[in-house]
Amino acid sequence: QVYLAESGGGVVQPGRSLRLSCAASGFSFDSSGIHWVRQAPGKGLEWVAVISYDGSNKNYADSVKGRFSISRDNSKNTVQLQMSSLRGADTAVYYCARAPYFGSGFDYWGQGALVTVSS
Amino acid sequence: QSALTQPASVSGSPGQSITISCTGTSGDIGAFTYVSWYQQHPGKTPKLMIYEVTNRPSGVSNRFSGSKSGNTASLTISGLQAEDEAVYYCSSYTDRNTRVFGTGTDVTVL
Repeated sequence: QVYLAESGGGVVQPGRSLRLSCAASGFSFDSSGIHWVRQAPGKGLEWVAVISYDGSNKNYADSVKGRFSISRDNSKNTVQLQMSSLRGADTAVYYCARAPYFGSGFDYWGQGALVTVSS
Repeated sequence: QSALTQPASVSGSPGQSITISCTGTSGDIGAFTYVSWYQQHPGKTPKLMIYEVTNRPSGVSNRFSGSKSGNTASLTISGLQAEDEAVYYCSSYTDRNTRVFGTGTDVTVL
């Protein structure tokens, strides 16, 4: 059974950093791309970042480029999202989602981690 | 990267068919067949309903179908049921190797 679980959410002051983690199980983790998608309260889905199956390719939405960094550890079946210089606009539920192959849909999602940026 | 454009709301009576449009550009929907659709009920995680424009994952009802023409993709729900009431999002791969979501469409079953 495919399982994704985010952790590391919480309340953080503007300008500070936070690290989210996504733990995966139930599938060949080192064969799948992993994406982060966020959803601000009462708003729509926004794609944030992607890391390829082997970590060699990474890409980011313009809204987070230069502030967020995605990485993975295939030995531990985890993906991290390091978020720095956080702003109020980054307040959202952050989901990790699996894309089993290039261009595929996001077939499995975690339950989400709430990040609140507030002083 | 601007969000794909969807109508804010669509409604229909039980048993009817509705279609949700999703308009992008020649750099996303128009260039690739990597369009997917997601259903999200309030307080729930998004669920993949259609991938690669027309394909349904296992377990998704055949009442859901997808298509694409030029820079616009569409999701059709036939035989509308009360359980279909949710927000629907389209998504596309882009020529910048990123993804983009649509603005979301609130489907109401009258």
